[in-house]
Amino acid sequence: NAGVTQTPKFQVLKTGQSMTLQCAQDMNHNSMYWYRQDPGMGLRLIYYSASEGTTDKGEVPNGYNVSRLNKREFSLRLESAAPSQTSVYFCASRGASGGREQFFGPGTRLTVL
Amino acid sequence: AQSVTQPDIHITVSEGASLELRCNYSYGATPYLFWYVQSPGQGLQLLLKYFSGDTLVQGIKGFEAEFKRSQSSFNLRKPSVHWSDAAEDFCAVNRGGGADGLTFGKGTHLIIQP
Repeated sequence: NAGVTQTPKFQVLKTGQSMTLQCAQDMNHNSMYWYRQDPGMGLRLIYYSASEGTTDKGEVPNGYNVSRLNKREFSLRLESAAPSQTSVYFCASRGASGGREQFFGPGTRLTVL
Repeated sequence: AQSVTQPDIHITVSEGASLELRCNYSYGATPYLFWYVQSPGQGLQLLLKYFSGDTLVQGIKGFEAEFKRSQSSFNLRKPSVHWSDAAEDFCAVNRGGGADGLTFGKGTHLIIQP
């Protein structure tokens, strides 16, 4: 099992460019999440998807869109990148077990110039 | 709204010494609590979790944590640290209130001195 995979690992964009971050999990989990990590801020939830076909906003959704393509894949799109979106982005997934622990991908480091 | 406070931004511990990382949370009901570890340039790995039952929980790599409802705390401990424990450690609580996802503390940077 690969667990949670993310592509790309690194990306540099110019202000105003768009891009999509890809995430896939092979654990048959229903719930998937996107977080951003900034220095000294911990991780903050951007969007989540409790099941295929549903998405909900987290703490910091502005400037982002998401798509739950199928049960395995959950993508994050930046339509018009801004320097404030320079961050490390983590995807996570969770199964239906009682403990609710999330499993994280390796992250995408995004720089917006 | 729920929140997580990790009062110590950095902690330096000598190899072989004991460790305690503090975590306080604000949550209306019984929380789901987690400690995650992040090595440099890596993703997050679950150390341990609490959601019910015994308030002292054991995790991987010799870590343990104790849930104290009266103090709204979930402190992480290890009796003897190893150089490989150097990392960033995050405490997290479920968002609750019908909203999914985790709320994280800002993290504690653990430095191990030889």
